[in-house]
Amino acid sequence: NAGVTQTPKFQVLKTGQSMTLQCAQDMNHEYMSWYRQDPGMGLRLIHYSVGAGITDQGEVPNGYNVSRSTTEDFPLRLLSAAPSQTSVYFCASSRRGSQGNQYFGPGTRLLVL
Amino acid sequence: SQQGEEDPQALSIQEGENATMNCSYKTSINNLQWYRQNSGRGLVHLILIRSNEREKHSGRLRVTLDTSKKSSSLLITASRAADTASYFCATDGGSGGSNYKLTFGKGTLLTVNP
Repeated sequence: NAGVTQTPKFQVLKTGQSMTLQCAQDMNHEYMSWYRQDPGMGLRLIHYSVGAGITDQGEVPNGYNVSRSTTEDFPLRLLSAAPSQTSVYFCASSRRGSQGNQYFGPGTRLLVL
Repeated sequence: SQQGEEDPQALSIQEGENATMNCSYKTSINNLQWYRQNSGRGLVHLILIRSNEREKHSGRLRVTLDTSKKSSSLLITASRAADTASYFCATDGGSGGSNYKLTFGKGTLLTVNP
């Protein structure tokens, strides 16, 4: 199993551009989440999904959209990139009914100029 | 808002020594987890302790939980250079929370010198 994969690994955007961060998992996990990590900070939850077709907002959802059309994929869309969205983005998945340990992808480092 | 807060923010020790990191949280929990993050990598789950447990061991890791003080500690015994990483505690928010909505602390950066 590849686990949780994220693409791209690194991206540079200009202010106002849009892009999609890809996340996929091959463990058939029901739950998927997106976090952002800023220097000296822990991870903050952006959006999450409890299953295909179901998404909800986390702590810092503004400026981001998500969708979950399949169990495997959970893309994160930046609608109009801003310098404040410069961060490292992590996708995670977990199994319904588990005690909650999440499996994390390697991250996408995003720089918005 | 940050639920968990780790202490200290940074810790530097010699190989073979023990490392202790602390985590405090604000609300009730179902369980508390510890994760490790190597530089430039994703987080890796280390250990989970449930709210009705007081201590748990896994290899060189020992976790304690004091729900009355809303605090937890992670002890790494006989540390190795490979243990150099950032360590985060994460909580699930208790009865109103869920295991897919974790709240992370800011982490402790552990450096183990050879």
